[in-house]
Amino acid sequence: GAGVSQSPSNKVTEKGKDVELRCDPISGHTALYWYRQSLGQGLEFLIYFQGNSAPDKSGLPSDRFSAERTGGSVSTLTIQRTQQEDSAVYLCASSRDRDEKLFFGSGTQLSVL
Amino acid sequence: QKEVEQNSGPLSVPEGAIASLNCTYSDRGSQSFFWYRQYSGKSPELIMFIYSNGDKEDGRFTAQLNKASQYVSLLIRDSQPSDSATYLCAVNINTDKLIFGTGTRLQVFP
Repeated sequence: GAGVSQSPSNKVTEKGKDVELRCDPISGHTALYWYRQSLGQGLEFLIYFQGNSAPDKSGLPSDRFSAERTGGSVSTLTIQRTQQEDSAVYLCASSRDRDEKLFFGSGTQLSVL
Repeated sequence: QKEVEQNSGPLSVPEGAIASLNCTYSDRGSQSFFWYRQYSGKSPELIMFIYSNGDKEDGRFTAQLNKASQYVSLLIRDSQPSDSATYLCAVNINTDKLIFGTGTRLQVFP
C-alpha cells in the first residue's frame, strides 16, 4: 500500500475484554514497530519486528500484551483483559530496514471504559 | 537516567527567529539520530536524520550531532507559526530499537 495502514482507527471496549489492533506496513518494509502514546506524552516503545521475528519485546508493559507478525507483513497487537490504563493511541511504524526512517500509521485510539 | 531526554517546553519564539531544540541520549554506541515533528492529534513525521558528527542542513532545518557529548540538536531558521508542533528526538539504541524522547513543544507566535 501507499502508506502504513492501521485498523480500527478507534476502539472503545469494556474493562476485561480482549482487543486486537492491526497494522499493515508499507510493502517491502522489513522492520515494524509498535509504540504507545498516552495523552500529552511521548512515544513509548512496545515491540519491534525484523521480518517475522521480534528481537526486542522489552517494551511490552505486561504479559497481557502480545504481538505477532506473519509473512513479513501484517502485524497484530493483542491486549488481553484490558485495563483502563491501557487507554492510549497505539501507533505502528515501518521502515525498509532497521536503522532507517520510520513511516507511521494514523494510529488506533483505544479507550477502555 | 532516561535513554533519550528532551526538555518538554513549551519553547516560545517569535516568527522569524531561530528555534533551538536539544536532546541528550545515554547509549554511547548509538549510531542513528532522528527528529520527528508531531502536530496535535496527528502521527509523527520525519523531518531530519543524522548519522555523523557535525551539522546537516536541509532547507530551514539544521541537525547537529556531537557524539562525544551525547547531544543532538535541531535548529529551525526563520521560524513560522506553521512550525508550531511537538518535536520528538529519536535515537537508535543497541542498534535494535528506536527510542523516542518525550518531545519539546514549540510555539511560534506572530
